[in-house]
Amino acid sequence: EPEVTQTPSHQVTQMGQEVILRCVPISNHLYFYWYRQILGQKVEFLVSFYNNEISEKSEIFDDQFSVERPDGSNFTLKIRSTKLEDSAMYFCASSPQGELGYGYTFGSGTRLTVV
Amino acid sequence: EDQVTQSPEALRLQEGESSSLNCSYTVSGLRGLFWYRQDPGKGPEFLFTLYSAGEEKEKERLKATLTKKESFLHITAPKPEDSATYLCAVRAGTALIFGKGTTLSVSS
Repeated sequence: EPEVTQTPSHQVTQMGQEVILRCVPISNHLYFYWYRQILGQKVEFLVSFYNNEISEKSEIFDDQFSVERPDGSNFTLKIRSTKLEDSAMYFCASSPQGELGYGYTFGSGTRLTVV
Repeated sequence: EDQVTQSPEALRLQEGESSSLNCSYTVSGLRGLFWYRQDPGKGPEFLFTLYSAGEEKEKERLKATLTKKESFLHITAPKPEDSATYLCAVRAGTALIFGKGTTLSVSS
């Protein structure tokens, strides 16, 4: 069964450092997303990406965040200057165009710890 | 404002004891209600999509139903392996708005 792959599974970084989280979406999907989940809280939408540009972003996705599809397979989330409150599980997801009968497929996540 | 509220927050069942989880939603123009299962430290795993009131979908011991204001996830004769957090989400634009989830524990 096709899956969304995320690397690394766990990343520890110092406050103020830049981090890049990587994702390989399902190959025939056209929409890509990043969500985050702070420990014990709900899953929150960050950004959606289609046709090489941001479709929609939440209030959380401020100027310190950016996304990129550097090639035909990878999708990345960059956090420029990490803060303690950025510690969370970050999930990449992808979906096909049109009917969402099979939902959005999520990856297993990257646990980001900012110290 | 689009909003999803799930209840109860936690539910403990004995193996074989059927029950239901509730998801109440407020959204301007429903474009899909989604149920996901999430195991600890893992990403959400897709279960169902519902689009219109009266729609029902089933998968093994799970059955999801939808009305104009809420959705129910019915669990029939649960097994310990059904223990997980069940998430409800509605589609708003290109985003999914999630509820906090119901954590289900099934003991043998």
